[in-house]
Amino acid sequence: SQQGEEDPQALSIQEGENATMNCSYKTSINNLQWYRQNSGRGLVHLILIRSNEREKHSGRLRVTLDTSKKSSSLLITASRAADTASYFCATDAPGGGNKLTFGTGTQLKVEL
Amino acid sequence: AAGVIQSPRHLIKEKRETATLKCYPIPRHDTVYWYQQGPGQDPQFLISFYEKMQSDKGSIPDRFSAQQFSDYHSELNMSSLELGDSALYFCASSLYARQATEAFFGQGTRLTVV
Repeated sequence: SQQGEEDPQALSIQEGENATMNCSYKTSINNLQWYRQNSGRGLVHLILIRSNEREKHSGRLRVTLDTSKKSSSLLITASRAADTASYFCATDAPGGGNKLTFGTGTQLKVEL
Repeated sequence: AAGVIQSPRHLIKEKRETATLKCYPIPRHDTVYWYQQGPGQDPQFLISFYEKMQSDKGSIPDRFSAQQFSDYHSELNMSSLELGDSALYFCASSLYARQATEAFFGQGTRLTVV
């Protein structure tokens, strides 16, 4: 079974709108990271949030982490067509040697 | 800034053949990870190395093996290839820390087994 599950699986919005993606996980974590992947391309690291952090910002990205609910959200503000991609959360567990367990991903489409 | 380099970018092999994928981590990174991503799937952890020693093992078939060399580059060797091995293979590197740090991924090798 997957450590991380994301919803929605697919999201379609208009340029300029905000996009929110959620990720849930099952076990305790050290950190949670968000990645972006354009179709068939490499995974681009977006942001890392540690288990003792609740919110983090990077440019148009805002990530929240609720360890009590074992969930995280990624908010992209003022979306652009170039934000069209799949977004994955990935967690690493204490004592897990830093290996990442990925969620199922959200496919975001930003339309002009 | 230097990124993780993978080669080749694309590889086509026939069933039962052997493939070798290479990964060059970001300079000074001491940990390398290999992931497999099937079509429409999320990346699955295969194996990792820290300071040239295997540090963790995931869902890696016995037909696959990997190692990390003295210059920290890593190779994933895949034998007796099957059609189901067709996937994107990613390498990632990081600088190990107890609290973990960001893992940076290469562009991947797309392996097609025909």
